[in-house]
Amino acid sequence: AQKITQTQPGMFVQEKEAVTLDCTYDTSDQSYGLFWYKQPSSGEMIFLIYQGSYDEQNATEGRYSLNFQKARKSANLVISASQLGDSAMYFCAMREGPDFGNEKLTFGTGTRLTIIP
Amino acid sequence: GAGVSQTPSNKVTEKGKYVELRCDPISGHTALYWYRQSLGQGPEFLIYFQGTGAADDSGLPNDRFFAVRPEGSVSTLKIQRTERGDSAVYLCASSLRDRATNEQFFGPGTRLTVL
Repeated sequence: AQKITQTQPGMFVQEKEAVTLDCTYDTSDQSYGLFWYKQPSSGEMIFLIYQGSYDEQNATEGRYSLNFQKARKSANLVISASQLGDSAMYFCAMREGPDFGNEKLTFGTGTRLTIIP
Repeated sequence: GAGVSQTPSNKVTEKGKYVELRCDPISGHTALYWYRQSLGQGPEFLIYFQGTGAADDSGLPNDRFFAVRPEGSVSTLKIQRTERGDSAVYLCASSLRDRATNEQFFGPGTRLTVL
């Protein structure tokens, strides 16, 4: 089974609208971390937001928020007031096990987001 | 400050040749990671260093792949007898491991093409 599933290969969104990028995950660990990264056409992976499995509040970072539904094993990224510069690939990733234990990230296949002026 | 840098940015080689890819992590970052990203896929983990030692090399696909970090800073990923299937973007990342987030900061990658 895939550990990280991103079911939207591509999305087109009008500028200034909000957008939700879906991510579901699969793990048997009680302790894990979920990440979202942005990859513009330049290729560099840019960290956006993190949610720990024990965090009770949904993470927020500026225009980014993470809709964490633990029972459903989903960690959707919400981008408010989208901008042209938000056009990029977006990857959801998971680190399994406690912090500072297993360090590797497992990534999904990504969603290509295109913002339309 | 300076981010993670990787050299070369592009490498074209012939099947069967040996290649070395270099990664300079962010100064002070103790953890260093290598990932491989094939076209249309997310990055796949290869190896993780804590200091000079490889703490987890479970992602290396076979014994043609080897990585070193002799002084706990710069790392080199070495690929022997390259095959066409090794063509991908090789990403390096580093982290400080000082807080729960422990986010990894990525370099721009080296695009390897094996002809």
